[in-house]
Amino acid sequence: QVQLQESGPGLVKPAETLSLTCSVSGYSISSGYYWSWVRQPPGKELEWIATIHHTGTSYYNPSLQSRVTISVDASKNQFSLRLTSVTAADTATYYCARYCVGGRCPGTYFFDYWGLGTLVIVSS
Amino acid sequence: QSALTQPPSASGAPGQSVTISCTGTSSDVGRYNYVSWYQLHPGKAPKLMIYDVTKRPSGVPDRFSGSKSGNTASLTVSGLQAEDEADYYCSSYATTTYVFGTGTKVTVL
Repeated sequence: QVQLQESGPGLVKPAETLSLTCSVSGYSISSGYYWSWVRQPPGKELEWIATIHHTGTSYYNPSLQSRVTISVDASKNQFSLRLTSVTAADTATYYCARYCVGGRCPGTYFFDYWGLGTLVIVSS
Repeated sequence: QSALTQPPSASGAPGQSVTISCTGTSSDVGRYNYVSWYQLHPGKAPKLMIYDVTKRPSGVPDRFSGSKSGNTASLTVSGLQAEDEADYYCSSYATTTYVFGTGTKVTVL
């Protein structure tokens, strides 16, 4: 069974950088699939942030692209998120998820496994 | 890219059906058959309920079904059960990005 777990600081100061890591178990990242970050501000809808393939090919939400970097460390079976110059608007529960894009997937363009999420608060 | 529009809430008695709409545009829902639906329970990982508009992952009860007409997709939950009470979000591929709906809270009366 594929399991994902987010980790990182729960509190980040304004203007600083938010860094999160997603640890994957039950599946080897280097075997394929895409891996993503999604967030949900309190009381608001889900928002896709970024997606990466184990080869390093990445895709970003245009509205966040200038501040976001997604990376993968296949040796640790982890992928990570960096969001720079954070403000209170970046306060959210951040989820990591596996993203299906055809190939081994039964369908296309959906998230089939998710982590529990981690709440990150941006505050001084 | 704007969020897809869902009703804020929907409700039904146990055993009844509830249908949630998800309205997008010709650039997302209307253009691609890549609509998926997710169930969110507090404290739990989001769960994929429907993908590719109508397909159910293994383990999802057949009480859950999806459809699409034009720019609007729908999720129907038949035979409502207490455990179906949750937030539901639709989503769609949209060329260079991926958009979610505004979310619907389903209450089982």
